[in-house]
Amino acid sequence: EAQVTQNPRYLITVTGKKLTVTCSQNMNHEYMSWYRQDPGLGLRQIYYSMNVEVTDKGDVPEGYKVSRKEKRNFPLILESPSPNQTSLYFCASSLAGGRMGNIQYFGAGTRLSVL
Amino acid sequence: AQSVAQPEDQVNVAEGNPLTVKCTYSVSGNPYLFWYVQYPNRGLQFLLKYITGDNLVKGSYGFEAEFNKSQTSFHLKKPSALVSDSALYFCAVRDSGGYNKLIFGAGTRLAVHP
Repeated sequence: EAQVTQNPRYLITVTGKKLTVTCSQNMNHEYMSWYRQDPGLGLRQIYYSMNVEVTDKGDVPEGYKVSRKEKRNFPLILESPSPNQTSLYFCASSLAGGRMGNIQYFGAGTRLSVL
Repeated sequence: AQSVAQPEDQVNVAEGNPLTVKCTYSVSGNPYLFWYVQYPNRGLQFLLKYITGDNLVKGSYGFEAEFNKSQTSFHLKKPSALVSDSALYFCAVRDSGGYNKLIFGAGTRLAVHP
């Protein structure tokens, strides 16, 4: 089954304790992206990756890091989480290239609370 | 700046009645428009998209959307609502400048009452 898998689904942590949210896709997609969802703001892009070893900032990258060492995996790293990073996070993947209508497939989400 | 607006936080409709969820956009160049649905505790699921061609786009679960260039709108519609359609709906436009980047509206919660 084609899917995007995120782990963990729920996470409660404390300020400053490094954490990683994993994302894996089995569709051989080149493009992967992280979004955060906040009430009244919709989804905002944090980082994206066009392919292995190619990443770039989205609209709200502060406080986050990513890596793309393998095509299927795109972990999101919070080196020193703060309460304003409490949010619902989604990983997405799609085909890349010049096809403007590529559909993005989303993971089930990770709900993060930073105390 | 490119943007998407969903003017209604919530839409209430009775089961069996037609529903409309509104979306307007602002983008440079040709718009590439999408609707996604989010059920509780689930990720976003693709419903339909407009790239070019017929202004009426048909999608999953009986949904359709009408692209109106002059009004810069892309409203989501369904002729007969089901209780199971109750969910959070997002309109999105592909950012003409960013690779595959989607710009989302704030979302509209659809509540279908029996």
